[in-house]
Amino acid sequence: KAGVTQTPRYLIKTRGQQVTLSCSPISGHRSVSWYQQTPGQGLQFLFEYFSETQRNKGNFPGRFSGRQFSNSRSEMNVSTLELGDSALYLCASSQGLAGAGDTQYFGPGTRLTVL
Amino acid sequence: GEDVEQSLFLSVREGDSSVINCTYTDSSSTYLYWYKQEPGAGLQLLTYIFSNMDMKQDQRLTVLLNKKDKHLSLRIADTQTGDSAIYFCAESTLYNQGGKLIFGQGTELSVKP
Repeated sequence: KAGVTQTPRYLIKTRGQQVTLSCSPISGHRSVSWYQQTPGQGLQFLFEYFSETQRNKGNFPGRFSGRQFSNSRSEMNVSTLELGDSALYLCASSQGLAGAGDTQYFGPGTRLTVL
Repeated sequence: GEDVEQSLFLSVREGDSSVINCTYTDSSSTYLYWYKQEPGAGLQLLTYIFSNMDMKQDQRLTVLLNKKDKHLSLRIADTQTGDSAIYFCAESTLYNQGGKLIFGQGTELSVKP
């Protein structure tokens, strides 16, 4: 089975722009979660989607949004980019809801640099 | 509150055992995980333990859970240079209508030949 894939792997944007990141979960997995990893804050939960519905959202501003499609693929969008948004964005998929005992498998991440 | 703590660095000699420790605060966590991250890569699931277990062994990896003290450890036997990476402990917690993982800061394991 193919693992979690994320595109693109690297992105360079400037302040004020917006960006869309894509995640394809493992086949058969219905939950997709997004995490932000920075040297200062570590790994922080952004949101979780299950069956095209956002189930949870972490403590991030409204500039961070996402969606999930009927084939479970997910996108996250960051608008009005700030320098502090530079990070590795990781997507994870699981068969059922995270926290319900279903193990999350991570993709390789998208490295976003904001100049 | 939710918090997971790990020591930041560990250095061992090749062939020795490594023990990475973690403490967590959410007593309702059902699963606890260990992930490995190599430079420039995502997180690789190493192993996990259900909260009603004390120990789990998987080849060179042994996980010990002390639920009373909320302490989790990962032992790597016969550590190799290829084990050099950052190791994250995570607790799975229910949150709103789903769940999330709460991660520790990561322990950087350095294996010297």
